[in-house]
Amino acid sequence: DIQMTQSPSTLSASVGDTVTITCRASQSISSFTTWLAWYQQKPGKAPKLLIYKASSLESGVPSRFSGSASGTEFTLTISSLQPDDFATYYCQQYNIFPYTFGQGTKLEIK
Amino acid sequence: QITLKESGPTLVKPTQTLTLTCTFSGFSLSTSTVGVGWIRQPPGEALEWLALIYWDDDKRYSPSLKNRLTITKDTSKNQVVLTMTNMDPVDTATYYCAHSRYGAKSLDYWGQGTLVTVSS
Repeated sequence: DIQMTQSPSTLSASVGDTVTITCRASQSISSFTTWLAWYQQKPGKAPKLLIYKASSLESGVPSRFSGSASGTEFTLTISSLQPDDFATYYCQQYNIFPYTFGQGTKLEIK
Repeated sequence: QITLKESGPTLVKPTQTLTLTCTFSGFSLSTSTVGVGWIRQPPGEALEWLALIYWDDDKRYSPSLKNRLTITKDTSKNQVVLTMTNMDPVDTATYYCAHSRYGAKSLDYWGQGTLVTVSS
């Protein structure tokens, strides 16, 4: 299985801050494109797709969310944090089965 | 509008078989590239990908659970069924189903999830 390692596990930030979450894959998840997704999950709710193919923004997701890739390292950046952004974030590779998730990053209010 | 909803027992006993149904609308599982996947999340823990079935009946499973999982589809009923045998308390989790399209966005629409507790 491809291991997806997220860092940090917990992140404390304030409204208005810019934060970056990193996800590292244990092997390449790129062929002609990079099959990496980011999800946001709030307590008691289903995950919500934010980013797909590493950097494509899902429809309806605010533009303050962005994703990037460099080799097997992937980042989710949230600019100008809003109160609604405090949640847990997961990365997921969908290049090779099983489609594995990272362990999650909890974004807390400082 | 795509919607999915999971249904099944909320409590199962150890060694029993769990059967979960995902009933969806807004898409057809006979359409090329479309799939439905199952994901679970133990309380306070991370997401775990379980299985996925595609429009062409291609089925994929988590290797760690493959011997216990079966995924099937009923296109006429717009349903996908996941069975998991030999349930154990460590299988206590919220189980989600989600829409997928091969070569696109991974899991873009999710059900609300259903909490399954395994206890005697």
